[in-house]
Amino acid sequence: DVKVTQSSRYLVKRTGEKVFLECVQDMDHENMFWYRQDPGLGLRLIYFSYDVKMKEKGDIPEGYSVSREKKERFSLILESASTNQTSMYLCATQDSTGVRGYTFGSGTRLTVV
Amino acid sequence: RKEVEQDPGPFNVPEGATVAFNCTYSNSASQSFFWYRQDCRKEPKLLMSVYSSGNEDGRFTAQLNRASQYISLLIRDSKLSDSATYLCVVTPDSWGKLQFGSGTQVVVTP
Repeated sequence: DVKVTQSSRYLVKRTGEKVFLECVQDMDHENMFWYRQDPGLGLRLIYFSYDVKMKEKGDIPEGYSVSREKKERFSLILESASTNQTSMYLCATQDSTGVRGYTFGSGTRLTVV
Repeated sequence: RKEVEQDPGPFNVPEGATVAFNCTYSNSASQSFFWYRQDCRKEPKLLMSVYSSGNEDGRFTAQLNRASQYISLLIRDSKLSDSATYLCVVTPDSWGKLQFGSGTQVVVTP
């Protein structure tokens, strides 16, 4: 089974801090995604990547950036954390066929105070 | 209009009963369809893919109706452990990005 590991389960950060959320997968999947999930809004795509060094904006990229220097690692960066970025962040991977479902990491619940 | 729409529920189901619910999608070119299950404060996990001919996995049956653009999930002989939110998921094109419904909550009661 694909294992997708997110570095922190719970995180509390202060407004204005730069925040790094790490996601590492061990199955050589090309496609990686970052979502946030909020009550009533469902999962919303922030950024995704289909290859090393490649990144594409999702539906809500504002206030975020990403880095994919190695195939197995996809990092989400909050440049200057704000309270409206308090959310559950989920990383997902998918093989290159693009027709299979995702495997999700266990999520990072970020609180910005 | 949302691209993937689900009744949020909750569907309150007595243990042992059958529950069914649908999901509609707006893009007629959608290619792949899935049901995911999400427990409270956990990540979504793939429950089953949905095939054109319909498919069954134990007590779970999924159907796809391309003409009317909906998929359905039926749970037979509901167990307490089936209590969760069920997410309808659609691949709108060949590029792999999935679109998620907001989920249908199912609560199975003793």
